[in-house]
Formats: sequence, structure tokens, C-alpha cells
Amino acid sequence: GAVVSQHPSWVICKSGTSVKIECRSLDFQATTMFWYRQFPKQSLMLMATSNEGSKATYEQGVEKDKFLINHASLTLSTLTVTSAHPEDSSFYICSARDRDRSTDTQYFGPGTRLTVL
Amino acid sequence: GEDVEQSLFLSVREGDSSVINCTYTDSSSTYLYWYKQEPGAGLQLLTYIFSNMDMKQDQRLTVLLNKKDKHLSLRIADTQTGDSAIYFCAVVFSGGYNKLIFGAGTRLAVHP
Repeated sequence: GAVVSQHPSWVICKSGTSVKIECRSLDFQATTMFWYRQFPKQSLMLMATSNEGSKATYEQGVEKDKFLINHASLTLSTLTVTSAHPEDSSFYICSARDRDRSTDTQYFGPGTRLTVL
Repeated sequence: GEDVEQSLFLSVREGDSSVINCTYTDSSSTYLYWYKQEPGAGLQLLTYIFSNMDMKQDQRLTVLLNKKDKHLSLRIADTQTGDSAIYFCAVVFSGGYNKLIFGAGTRLAVHP
């Protein structure tokens, strides 16, 4: 149980294009999902917290117009990197919190590697 | 704000025990977590401990929590080559949405 998927697992795009990454909780409902970014050999940096049916809460320094987050259902959140540039190349990981558990445990997706040329 | 610190690297011989340490600053976290990350993959939840516990054992994994010193450790018994990965400790920051704060990660290398 508690499986989170991400799609795509990797993507290469040209500079200036937009890329959408999906995060799905497969066997549980998630009122809250989180989006992280991880640079090589570094820890995870929280970008934003996404609550179903409401606007995402962005961490300081993260551009909300650059990284659009939508959490339209209890099992799906999307992150759209708009007008991507090479400096946006990174490993993006989502996580989801099971609303029926009281432990605040976050279950992580396998990550999406974005390369912007 | 919350701060979580870990040593960055640990090398052990196959069959030995590994101990990965973590210290944190915010003592309000109800649960404390250990995650494992293999190359190119997401994070896998290994185990967690409730803040009113001192120890939790799960097969080869033992978690020790010293709340007074704000110290968390993960012991892996009979370490195998498949245990080679990066291990993150994480605590819940109570400042909003109960977000996780991660340490920098400890890279565990297991050699024959």
C-alpha cells in the first residue's frame, strides 16, 4: 500500500517550453501533496505544499508563476514548469500524505528527471 | 527554524553494523522518520518512531531516539551491499502543513 507514481520518469525539452509532471497516489487518498526539488548529491528542497481544492503554498524563493501546481483531486497533483530554462534542470520528487493515517507520513514518488536543453 | 544535521558519509564492511546519526533542533515533532534513496530513485520510507518512544526495532533496523539530546540514530544490523544508498532523517516542522525537514543525507557505502 501507499504507492505514489510520477509521470514522466524523465523528460528532455527545449528551452522556453513548458513541462507538466504528474503525481498520483495509487491506493490512497491524499489531501496534501508536496513537491520537492533535488540537486545532485544534495538533500530535498521543498518547493510547495499542495492541498486538494485550494491554492498551493510556495516556499520562500520559489516562483509561483514559474512552477504552477494544481491539485484537482484527492489522487492527483501536477507541477508545470513554465518556460523552462537549463537552470530548471533537476530531479523533481513529489510526496503524498495519506489522509486516513494519523502519522503525517509522506510517501514519495520515484521522481522525474528534467533536462532542459 | 528547524535544522536537521547528519554526517555525510559512512563506510562499513559487509556483515558489520552501520549506525547513522542525526540531530535536530525542533523538539515538537511527533514523528521522526528515516528514508532511503537509491541512485536515480525517489525516497523509500524505511521506518519512523513516535516521539514518546526511545527505541523501535524492525527486523535489521533499530531506531534510537534521545529526546533530551535531540538525537536520532538508525542502526542497520548485518549490513549488506544492497543497503548501499543515501539515508535521510526527517522531522516534522510544526510551523505549517506539518512539512518534513530533511537532513543532508548520509551516503552509506558497503564494501566486501
